[in-house]
Amino acid sequence: AQSVAQPEDQVNVAEGNPLTVKCTYSVSGNPYLFWYVQYPNRGLQFLLKYITGDNLVKGSYGFEAEFNKSQTSFHLKKPSALVSDSALYFCAVSSGGSYIPTFGRGTSLIVHP
Amino acid sequence: EAGVAQSPRYKIIEKRQSVAFWCNPISGHATLYWYQQILGQGPKLLIQFQNNGVVDDSQLPKDRFSAERLKGVDSTLKIQPAKLEDSAVYLCASSSRDRGSGNTIYFGEGSWLTVV
Repeated sequence: AQSVAQPEDQVNVAEGNPLTVKCTYSVSGNPYLFWYVQYPNRGLQFLLKYITGDNLVKGSYGFEAEFNKSQTSFHLKKPSALVSDSALYFCAVSSGGSYIPTFGRGTSLIVHP
Repeated sequence: EAGVAQSPRYKIIEKRQSVAFWCNPISGHATLYWYQQILGQGPKLLIQFQNNGVVDDSQLPKDRFSAERLKGVDSTLKIQPAKLEDSAVYLCASSSRDRGSGNTIYFGEGSWLTVV
């Protein structure tokens, strides 16, 4: 069975500071890893994904994520946070065995002016 | 490119009533999903269609939930009779058959259901 853990319910960061939203996963075989963002009263928007290749993946809105196989992690990062980045962030994992992604519980990112 | 379309966006019903949600996936996407997202949780898969066939409905409460995708394009999710615990966002999503791309799924804006 595949699973995702997002250990932080909420992350607080000041505008202009770097941010990190953590994600660890468990899967049989090679993982496919995804980050989605959900703004209030909206659906989930795809941010970025890791399939294979370079461990550092760049995505929308200046976000990037680093795949670390030994630590089974896929943390989301941004060098300089914006107030408009405040939202719910979901990590998801799938694999060749099950192409249906499993989602984490989500992390609420709050960026303070 | 048009995204996944869902309607209605918001619905309030009394318990034991019925409700139906409609979804039109991204053009050309063969795979369609219905997810349930309860407040404070991540999306949970209810049912997956490949064209007009059901691939996985293991987590669909079949005593009250039903879904169909008759012509392999748009889909309807029905709840009858509704319970208070069905209050959630119902997210429709779609993906292409290109599994080599890691099967990225794209979500609609969601249908927000409140059962009172």
